Amino acid sequence: QKEVEQDPGPLSVPEGAIVSLNCTYSNSAFQYFMWYRQYSRKGPELLMYTYSSGNKEDGRFTAQVDKSSKYISLFIRDSQPSDSATYLCAVRFYNQGGKLIFGQGTELSVKP
Amino acid sequence: GAGVSQSPSNKVTEKGKDVELRCDPISGHTALYWYRQSLGQGLEFLIYFQGNSAPDKSGLPSDRFSAERTGGSVSTLTIQRTQQEDSAVYLCASSLDGSVNSPLHFGNGTRLTVT
Repeated sequence: QKEVEQDPGPLSVPEGAIVSLNCTYSNSAFQYFMWYRQYSRKGPELLMYTYSSGNKEDGRFTAQVDKSSKYISLFIRDSQPSDSATYLCAVRFYNQGGKLIFGQGTELSVKP
Repeated sequence: GAGVSQSPSNKVTEKGKDVELRCDPISGHTALYWYRQSLGQGLEFLIYFQGNSAPDKSGLPSDRFSAERTGGSVSTLTIQRTQQEDSAVYLCASSLDGSVNSPLHFGNGTRLTVT
């Protein structure tokens, strides 16, 4: 079993749709959660970062963490063609720096 | 430059040859990471440096892979006797101090093709 599971998609939605991207993780010792966006032939860039259960909003993006069910989500409101990219969830151990463990990534396409 | 810089951006090599991949982290960042991304796959952790030391090298897939970091800055990932399964994008990232609150900033990677 992978430490972080993510549906690879691809996911195709019309412009303006609400997008839901999800990951599950296996180890309750993971306490820090991130979402990265990766455009084709580019490195991943950090979108959202949280360490507590509940919701965190940043513009059109909302990150949600449910530690009881080991489930993390990213919601994109009013999706735009420019949101077309691969979205990667990542986790990190509590009180331990160092590596991030990534999910497989979900490829998203927003059609105009 | 402001970001993480990797070179070369593309590398084609013959099976059995050695390759060196270079990473220049963001100035002042003490932590440096190497990841590998195969086609359609997520990021696979290879090694983590704090300064010039590597407290976590658990992701290196075989003894053909090695990495070093000098002067707390530039890092080189070396793959000896390359195999076709080594073909992937090799990504480097740096963070300010490697702490849990310190996000990773990635370069655009080196795309390695082994023929």
